[in-house]
Amino acid sequence: DIQMTQSPSSLSASVGDTVTITCRASHSIGSYLNWYQQKPGRAPKLLIYAASTLQSGVPSRFSGSGSGADFTLTISGLQPEDFATYYCQQSYSTPLTFGGGTRVEIK
Amino acid sequence: QVHLVESGGGLVKSGGSLTLTCAASGFTFSDFYMSWIRQVPGKGLEWLSYISGSGATGSIYYADSVKGRFTMSRDNAKNSLYLQINSLRVEDTAVYYCARGPDIVEESAANMDVWGQGTTVTVS
Repeated sequence: DIQMTQSPSSLSASVGDTVTITCRASHSIGSYLNWYQQKPGRAPKLLIYAASTLQSGVPSRFSGSGSGADFTLTISGLQPEDFATYYCQQSYSTPLTFGGGTRVEIK
Repeated sequence: QVHLVESGGGLVKSGGSLTLTCAASGFTFSDFYMSWIRQVPGKGLEWLSYISGSGATGSIYYADSVKGRFTMSRDNAKNSLYLQINSLRVEDTAVYYCARGPDIVEESAANMDVWGQGTTVTVS
């Protein structure tokens, strides 16, 4: 199974800050990497797929990069509605696996 | 618009069975892979299974943690997805989500782009 390791597990940031979340796969997964945002009590929402492609309707302050085993999600200019938990997920092979999540909190 | 609605959750005793349903609308259901994912309260996301658009035997994949107890199926005529859960355990207590995708054959489609609101299963 491919293990997905996210860091940090949580962070505190202020509105307007730039935030970077990293995700590392235990094996190379090419660009089969997706990012999701989840707010409390809500279903996850797809933000970025294929490592760097922004899902339709997602603000351009979100960006993704990386390939192989190391990936990053960057939020440039954090907005109040961005405080949430973020998950990476690989679709390179079954079982599909998620990272443990990164909780972005208000400083 | 594209919509997924789960139902069938509830309070069940350990050892019991349950069938969850996901009703799809707003897209050609049979064209898409579908998945089930669960989330234990306060914890992360766990993928459970996915099924191809046709639902053909051999096109259904399960996480090892649920293989043999969970059965995923679909009825394309009814635009519905199902998850039958047998021999329920306390550790199966979670919110269960259905999601559209992934089609892992194509990198750009290997994601879960639409999710339902979830249905809660509580095992006592």
